[in-house]
Amino acid sequence: DTGVSQDPRHKITKRGQNVTFRCDPISEHNRLYWYRQTLGQGPEFLTYFQNEAQLEKSRLLSDRFSAERPKGSFSTLEIQRTEQGDSAMYLCASSPERTHSTDTQYFGPGTRLTVL
Amino acid sequence: GEDVEQSLFLSVREGDSSVINCTYTDSSSTYLYWYKQEPGAGLQLLTYIFSNMDMKQDQRLTVLLNKKDKHLSLRIADTQTGDSAIYFCAESNYGQNFVFGPGTRLSVLP
Repeated sequence: DTGVSQDPRHKITKRGQNVTFRCDPISEHNRLYWYRQTLGQGPEFLTYFQNEAQLEKSRLLSDRFSAERPKGSFSTLEIQRTEQGDSAMYLCASSPERTHSTDTQYFGPGTRLTVL
Repeated sequence: GEDVEQSLFLSVREGDSSVINCTYTDSSSTYLYWYKQEPGAGLQLLTYIFSNMDMKQDQRLTVLLNKKDKHLSLRIADTQTGDSAIYFCAESNYGQNFVFGPGTRLSVLP
């Protein structure tokens, strides 16, 4: 297994366009997380899936943002009507769910979004 | 809400020890983590500690946890230029509610 992968690595779009990012977690990891990271900041939690169920959403996740994980494997994050303030690195992480484990997360390389 | 704070910058000389500090507010945190991020790369888990432990050592890394003061530190012994990166402290409650600090940029001077 090669780790968490994200596609695309970079996306440049014009304000008002829709964008979709994909995350492929480590196989058999049933937890998947999306974060946003802006320059000089730590990752900010956006949403979290356990298998296909979206269990938690941050208040940062406005109604323009939607995430899915239809089969409990890969996930997509869509941003509709992008705004310049959406420019950031979007990080995906996965973790196994094991009793008495650290539930440590393994991060992908991120998708850098630039909204012009 | 939960908050994690870190000093933003640290400079040390090669061969010295580095100590990066972190404070957090969530008393229900079960795990605390240190991640490393190099330029243009994703976050790499360095080490973690369970909240009922005081100390954990892993090669050059030593993590100290003062649960009473909600203070976490990462000591890097014999710091090398390859250790230059941003170090993030993070906390979670059984794998949920992950909260990251702003990161400490470590610069290692030759």
